[in-house]
Amino acid sequence: QVQLVESGGGVVQPGRSLRLSCAASGFTFSHYNMHWVRQTPGKGLEWVALIWYDGSNKYYVDSVKGRFTISRDNSKNTLDLQMNSLRAEDTAVYYCARGRGDSQRPQVYDYWGQGTLVTVSS
Amino acid sequence: DIQLTQSPSFLSASVGDRVTITCRASQGISSHLAWYQQKPGKAPKLLIYSASTLQTGVPSRFSDSGSGTEFTLTISSLQPEDFATYYCQQLNSHPITFGQGTRLEIK
Repeated sequence: QVQLVESGGGVVQPGRSLRLSCAASGFTFSHYNMHWVRQTPGKGLEWVALIWYDGSNKYYVDSVKGRFTISRDNSKNTLDLQMNSLRAEDTAVYYCARGRGDSQRPQVYDYWGQGTLVTVSS
Repeated sequence: DIQLTQSPSFLSASVGDRVTITCRASQGISSHLAWYQQKPGKAPKLLIYSASTLQTGVPSRFSDSGSGTEFTLTISSLQPEDFATYYCQQLNSHPITFGQGTRLEIK
């Protein structure tokens, strides 16, 4: 069965870095676009980043551009999110999610990980 | 960015009730909308997408309708496991955006 397992969350000071990982199993990882989505009580669900199935294209929400980097290793079935220059407003539960549908169009997320909590606080 | 506004934000209902949740888009999105269910401490779960396509395993009591800027999710007869928070998501254009959620609680 499809499984997505995030790791790497924790408490970090403003301005510092954190790297999240998502281990995928139960499907052909290299065939799917993958996304990071975050959730906060205040702002709700927010799409953060997208990487195409082959890693050829990457997209980010404006608020993280230049600070976050999404990457994937199709040989290891892993998805990463490198988060630099973290801010208090980045505090959220971060989910990795599998995209479904036309890879060149906005997609639904048919499988999600359990989420990992990132807290940015001094 | 396309804004999605859900109403109501909170809904109290009883088992067996028929309930409807509305999602309004700030601009036309054709039928490019999806609905998710989320229970406390869990990830969102895809329910319906792309003009009434039910995700595998989702009961037929869930249905949706609408196009353009106004959409509805209907649960025909509430079951105990349906009490959760529901989100709409637009798939018309990047960036993908979500509604703020509708919390459905037991009366």
